[in-house]
Order: sequence, then structure tokens, then C-alpha cells
Amino acid sequence: QVQVVQSGAEVKKPGASVKVSCKASGYTFTSYAMHWVRQAPGQRLEWMGWINGGNGNTKYSQKFQGRIRITRETSASTAYMELSSLRSEDTAVYYCAREAGSNDAFDMWGQGTMVTVSS
Amino acid sequence: QSVLTQPPSVSGAPGQRVTISCTGSSSNIGAGYDVHWHQQLPGTAPKLLIFGNNNRPSGVPDRFSGSKSGSSASLAISGLQAEDEADYYCQSYDTSLSGYVFGPGTKVTVL
Repeated sequence: QVQVVQSGAEVKKPGASVKVSCKASGYTFTSYAMHWVRQAPGQRLEWMGWINGGNGNTKYSQKFQGRIRITRETSASTAYMELSSLRSEDTAVYYCAREAGSNDAFDMWGQGTMVTVSS
Repeated sequence: QSVLTQPPSVSGAPGQRVTISCTGSSSNIGAGYDVHWHQQLPGTAPKLLIFGNNNRPSGVPDRFSGSKSGSSASLAISGLQAEDEADYYCQSYDTSLSGYVFGPGTKVTVL
């Protein structure tokens, strides 16, 4: 069945970087875009950026410009999100979400990856 | 300050109908961008509930319906059930931010 499975929880120190993976299965990875969304404890969902699974083009939220990098490995049907210069405010659950083919709704979400930033 | 606004909470008895509003502006919903709704059950990932303003993905009960008018949208849940207790988020695209935005979420409580 169609699913996206993310890598496990991470604990990082302030100033470090984290790289979260999102492996897709059950569909043609290169035919869909993948978005990244985060949710700090008790907070709303926050869109971070996306990657075109076919040509690798990316677009990032202005808030994360300069600190975020989204990549993909088509042979592994996997997307990656790397966030650098981590601070305590980056502690959150990070989700990948597939964009539907016929519209821009996020129709398949990963299970989430908890990233804790603490000294 | 939220780009999209939602009421923090709504509640209703089993079987009742509740509605959740999502108010935007001329740079998002009012500009003609679609509104999508996501349901997040406690401790789980969000799940797409309504796409393209008023369409249900396969498997979503017809108790859930969406609408859009001007710069606002609404999600209605009829025949409220205990399993509907969750947080509900609206989502759209914003041209001034050049990115996607979510509402703050509305917690639905079944009394």
C-alpha cells in the first residue's frame, strides 16, 4: 500500500544539524512532490518546504531559508530534510507529506520524527 | 498573528452537528487557493480529511463536509461521534508568504 516511513527520533545539541529521511513505497516516487512540515509541542503545523520528486527542484519557507536543505535519492525513493544551526526552538515533530497528484493537498503523511534540541 | 484563523475549540453532544470556520485573506483563500482540512487524532500524524474545499478522500465518512466562500472556509461534522475527538487544521497557499499555511487548529470535544 501507499506509505511514507520516516527515520527515528533524534537528540541534538544546539548548533548541530539533523537529517531526517522519508522513504516512500507503493507509488512512483518521481511522480509526486514531497513536503516537510513540523509541529512544536502543543503548537500548530508549520510548513517548511518541498521537493519535486521528478526534477529535484526545491522551495523553502522564508523562515527557514539558509538553514534547510531538502534532497532526494530517487533510486531509494527517499526524501531527506536537513536542518542546521539547531536551537531549542527547533524541538518538534517533523513530518514528511506527499502532495496529491491532482491538487496541492497533502494526501499521505509520514508517522513523524521527534527531534529534540538540548544541551 | 495567524494568517489563517480558527476557533480554538468547539464541542457537541454525540449525534449533533458542529462547524469549524477558517478565515483567511485576499492573499490566500480569498485569492482563490484551495482549502484542505486535516484531522489529527491525539498522538498521531495528521490525516487528510477534505481536499479542494469540499472533496472527501476515499474512506472518509460523508459525515464530514467542507465549503468555501470568499476568504473563508468551513468544515462541518454531522452525527458527531466519540471517535471524532481530534484537532482539525485548515491549510491553504499564501501568495505573500510564497508558501503553504495552516490554521492554528481547532480541538473538537464530544460531550
